[in-house]
Amino acid sequence: EAQVTQNPRYLITVTGKKLTVTCSQNMNHEYMSWYRQDPGLGLRQIYYSMNVEVTDKGDVPEGYKVSRKEKRNFPLILESPSPNQTSLYFCASTTGGLGTGELFFGEGSRLTVL
Amino acid sequence: GENVEQHPSTLSVQEGDSAVIKCTYSDSASNYFPWYKQELGKRPQLIIDIRSNVGEKKDQRIAVTLNKTAKHFSLHITETQPEDSAVYFCAAKGNTGKLIFGQGTTLQVKP
Repeated sequence: EAQVTQNPRYLITVTGKKLTVTCSQNMNHEYMSWYRQDPGLGLRQIYYSMNVEVTDKGDVPEGYKVSRKEKRNFPLILESPSPNQTSLYFCASTTGGLGTGELFFGEGSRLTVL
Repeated sequence: GENVEQHPSTLSVQEGDSAVIKCTYSDSASNYFPWYKQELGKRPQLIIDIRSNVGEKKDQRIAVTLNKTAKHFSLHITETQPEDSAVYFCAAKGNTGKLIFGQGTTLQVKP
């Protein structure tokens, strides 16, 4: 089954404790992206990747890191989480490096930073 | 920077009525405009998209129109049904990898 898988789905952590949210897709998509969703602000892009070893900043990259060592995986790293990073996070992928096409979203990861 | 404004933020209609959601974008290089529907507790899913070389696109009860000169595009849902109740997001993409979403519209269809 074609899918985008995120883990963990739910996480409560404390300020400053490094964490990684994993994202994996099995559709051989070139383009992958991370979004955060906050009430009234819609979906805001954090980072995106057009292919392996190619990553770029979205609109809200501060406090986040990503890597794209393999085509299927695009982990999101919070080196020192802060309460303002409490949010619902979505990973998404699509075919084609430019990202013009249907985005397939993961189920979301709800993160709470205390 | 690039920006997408979406209105209204909430919309309530009676079943069977039409619903219209409007978006404006700032980047004149934008050439791809998708619309996503997000049901409560679920992930967003694409419902329709349009590219800059087309002025209108229809798929059954939903349609999208694009006015490149005015830099705005709209989603039209006709004969609304309770299952159309959801949050709808517009988005715009230019020649970079960035896809900018609007703030979302919560549509409620009352039976």
